[in-house]
Amino acid sequence: QKEVEQNSGPLSVPEGAIASLNCTYSDRGSQSFFWYRQYSGKSPELIMFIYSNGDKEDGRFTAQLNKASQYVSLLIRDSQPSDSATYLCAATDTGGGNKLTFGTGTQLKVEL
Amino acid sequence: DVKVTQSSRYLVKRTGEKVFLECVQDMDHENMFWYRQDPGLGLRLIYFSYDVKMKEKGDIPEGYSVSREKKERFSLILESASTNQTSMYLCASTYRGNQPQHFGDGTRLSIL
Repeated sequence: QKEVEQNSGPLSVPEGAIASLNCTYSDRGSQSFFWYRQYSGKSPELIMFIYSNGDKEDGRFTAQLNKASQYVSLLIRDSQPSDSATYLCAATDTGGGNKLTFGTGTQLKVEL
Repeated sequence: DVKVTQSSRYLVKRTGEKVFLECVQDMDHENMFWYRQDPGLGLRLIYFSYDVKMKEKGDIPEGYSVSREKKERFSLILESASTNQTSMYLCASTYRGNQPQHFGDGTRLSIL
């Protein structure tokens, strides 16, 4: 069974701090990794995707990938209360068909 | 921007009814997916389709079927609704390759 593991949280950070969200995956053949943000009662919204080892930055968000350790992370700089949401990590399935395996998500709370 | 439209945001049906959930995407995406999302269980893949009239079972296909007669439309069918199918249903689509999946707004289905 292919798995993507995330700490469910909640992860609480003060406004303006860096939030660090982590994810591990079991399928060593996974090639692509995605971070989605999901507000309560809403559908997942794509935040970042990363295919290569290293860092990828987009505004306040940085995705980090280490394929040797099977580890993906998302850093959110200058966290805002509007960043409070559940963050889902997903990895492509080597079975093909663009299938993704999702983690159960980490709840982030940014406190004033 | 990619637009994935689900026919209903909220739906209430009775046990034993045949239920149709519709999903339409406007980006000529080849791959379409149906998930259900339940607290603590994350997103689970029900069925997916990689071409017109093509379908493959996901992780939890029991009690469901799908139809894809046109490229832009992917329907999920609950053959005989049961209370354990009460859930949030999410449709997603993607182009071929390791591209991100884009989600519709979701349908919150209650079976009474």
